[in-house]
Order: sequence, then C-alpha cells, then structure tokens
Amino acid sequence: GESVGLHLPTLSVQEGDNSIINCAYSNSASDYFIWYKQESGKGPQFIIDIRSNMDKRQGQRVTVLLNKTVKHLSLQIAATQPGDSAVYFCAEKGFQKLVFGTGTRLLVSP
Amino acid sequence: KAGVTQTPRYLIKTRGQQVTLSCSPISGHRSVSWYQQTPGQGLQFLFEYFSETQRNKGNFPGRFSGRQFSNSRSEMNVSTLELGDSALYLCASSLGGRTSNEKLFFGSGTQLSVL
Repeated sequence: GESVGLHLPTLSVQEGDNSIINCAYSNSASDYFIWYKQESGKGPQFIIDIRSNMDKRQGQRVTVLLNKTVKHLSLQIAATQPGDSAVYFCAEKGFQKLVFGTGTRLLVSP
Repeated sequence: KAGVTQTPRYLIKTRGQQVTLSCSPISGHRSVSWYQQTPGQGLQFLFEYFSETQRNKGNFPGRFSGRQFSNSRSEMNVSTLELGDSALYLCASSLGGRTSNEKLFFGSGTQLSVL
C-alpha cells in the first residue's frame, strides 16, 4: 500500500493542464539525475533521466530541466492525465547509489 | 522481459524476530541494491551487491545485512526487529557497470510491519 510521506507537497491540477514538479538536489558533484513515478502499492518507475552536461531533455509528454547553478531540477508533464496521479521523486546518482528527494504528490482531477 | 521480483509482498513480524526478504533482478542485471522507504525518512539506501560482493553500503546498523548469489538473486536480512523497521523495502537492479548514468529498475517492494 501507500507508504510515502504523509506531509508531501501536493500539486493539484486539472486534466489537460501542464504540470511542473520541482526538486532541489544537494550534491553539486552529482552528474546524473533521474525522475521516478511511484503509484500506490508499487515501486518507483523510471520516467526520464538527464546527465549534468545537458540542461534539457524531452521524452513523451515529459521534459526535464536541469539548472546546475542553483542545483534545481524540474519535471514538466504536458496534457496531464488522471493516470499521471502518483508521487514523483527526483534522484541524484552518485556511484551506484541513488539519493532521493522527498517527493511530490500529483493529483489530477478529471 | 520480466521485471524485478520481490517476495514476499507483505510480512508481519513481532519485535525481536528476524526476517529475510528476497529479490530476483531483471535477467542479465548483475547489480542489486536495497532501499528502505518510510513516511518519515523517505527512500534511504541500504546496500548494493555486485558479483556476490557488497560494493556499497548506507548508514544502517549491522542488524541489516544482505547477500547475493551466483545467479544475481539477492536476499536481505534484518535481525532483532524493532518497531522502527516497519517500512517498504525496495530492491532495484541494474547492469552493474561502473558508470554513474546507469538506470536502476525497482521491484514493487516488500511491506514489512513490526508489531
């Protein structure tokens, strides 16, 4: 069942809107970043990744932006759908180890 | 291709007992990592195994241990369970190369409740 934080920041959007989820990371030496989506009762699911030598990467309906100056990542979801409702985590990768952010809960209303 | 498989899905134990969790990685993946997820602490790294050797370790007490078999399957063990060990334990597998930009794929986890 759901076992993520009770006090997660929550973003509520309407179906069809664009969503932007933000994340601050801690280690300026991190060179690889990943966004994961976690639905209730499931493990984190890979969405998109970006290396530190890039500042933007696009996937299907998702875009990740990286600002190394302020150690900030964002995940943009276009035309948000009810199936996008989940908790979203950013993670920075050191050697063979992921350091996760606290997560943001995305609620999509029909 | 089958994903990462974790068993059992749910476990209920009492304080002082010990527990063993199992993880089968994606075929061809040689690295298995374990994470603990709790409401208070979020996702925390426990340890990582590659070729039957522990390659990386997080900041958890010695009650938490693991091992990896020659077929890359992994188990983690928690001895002398405490109430605070109640959590979702997640296993992730990857190819295991020594590059930082390698994707980790997670299983659905084992939900452990300690009473």
